[in-house]
Amino acid sequence: DGGITQSPKYLFRKEGQNVTLSCEQNLNHDAMYWYRQDPGQGLRLIYYSQIVNDFQKGDIAEGYSVSREKKESFPLTVTSAQKNPTAFYLCASTRTGQWSNYGYTFGSGTRLTVV
Amino acid sequence: SQQGEEDPQALSIQEGENATMNCSYKTSINNLQWYRQNSGRGLVHLILIRSNEREKHSGRLRVTLDTSKKSSSLLITASRAADTASYFCATSSAQKLVFGQGTRLTINP
Repeated sequence: DGGITQSPKYLFRKEGQNVTLSCEQNLNHDAMYWYRQDPGQGLRLIYYSQIVNDFQKGDIAEGYSVSREKKESFPLTVTSAQKNPTAFYLCASTRTGQWSNYGYTFGSGTRLTVV
Repeated sequence: SQQGEEDPQALSIQEGENATMNCSYKTSINNLQWYRQNSGRGLVHLILIRSNEREKHSGRLRVTLDTSKKSSSLLITASRAADTASYFCATSSAQKLVFGQGTRLTINP
């Protein structure tokens, strides 16, 4: 079955350490997204990519980096510059096209905790 | 930026009753979408309504959109315990989806 796989499910980061969250999709979707969710809150957009080798900053990109070398993969690195990284991270993908009237498919998330 | 704002923030009803959640937004949109999130899980797409549509149905879900008032509502009829979750509206424009804060729905048996 097609879908999005995020790994790991839980991740613990030490102060000053960079960590990378994996996101892989086999839906043949062009667009991929990273969102951050804090407890009891909505989702905030970190980065997004409409096509391979291209990506744009979202609303809260500081302290994060991404790459899009393959259509199926959109890894997110949480750098030491991100001062408050403890959160639930969600990856999503969607088809693109005129008017972009398509729903998003989400992964099951990675819960990152700073220790 | 949080474009959508859901109302109420929390809703608790008895099983079998209808649940209505509202969403307001600020800028022009291509479409508005509703998602469900069970605790600690990813989001599941429920329904999408385009900016030129006024009402849409999917099973027990009914969504309305009023672009003049920049608002939408989600109605879940004949609620079930399994409907307990958080529900988010999200507005689509400029190739991005912007989410509201969500409504936490609890269905009591």
